[in-house]
Amino acid sequence: QLQLQESGPGLVKSSETLSLTCTVSGGSLISSSSYWGWIRQPPGKGLEWIGTIYYAGSTYYNPSLRSRVTMSVDTSKNLFSLNLSSVTAADTAVYYCARNLGIPAAGVPPYYFDKWGQGTLVTVSS
Amino acid sequence: QSALTQPASVSGSPGQSITISCTGTSSDVGNYNLVSWYQQHPGKAPKLMIYEGNKRPSGISNRFSGSKSGDTASLTISGLQAEDEADYYCCSYAGGRTVVFGGGTKVTVL
Repeated sequence: QLQLQESGPGLVKSSETLSLTCTVSGGSLISSSSYWGWIRQPPGKGLEWIGTIYYAGSTYYNPSLRSRVTMSVDTSKNLFSLNLSSVTAADTAVYYCARNLGIPAAGVPPYYFDKWGQGTLVTVSS
Repeated sequence: QSALTQPASVSGSPGQSITISCTGTSSDVGNYNLVSWYQQHPGKAPKLMIYEGNKRPSGISNRFSGSKSGDTASLTISGLQAEDEADYYCCSYAGGRTVVFGGGTKVTVL
């Protein structure tokens, strides 16, 4: 059973960089059909897609966050990571990692998230 | 890339059917049949309910169904049950390997 687990600091200072890791267990990060994504949810608000990465390193980011987001993957440790720079209070949210699926063989890009981590709250303090 | 539009709340009595709408544009919902729906209970991670418009993952009740017309996708819950009370989010492919979520709808079982 595939499981994802987010980890990282729960408190980040304003203007600094938020760094989170998602460890995948019960399955391999390396799959031709699996992409891996980050989604966040500010307290009391809706979901926002941050970005998606393929195990080979290709990345796709939300245009509104692109200038501050970097995602990477470590296949040897079966994990992928998120860095969000120059954070402000508006970046306070629960951050989720998730498996992002499509049908590459049919030309269908990754568009839905079938497995999610439990989420981790990151608070940006001034 | 703007969030998809969902009603803030929808309610219904047990046993009834309700429908949640999700309105996008010709750049997302209207251009692709790649809409997914998620259920989220308080304090929990979202759960995939519908993908590719109207497909259900294993274990998801057939009381949940999806459809699309033009720029609007819909999620229908039939035979409403107390356990269906949750927040629901739609999500659509928006081109360029990007996706966009809706603002969410709170479903209340009266």
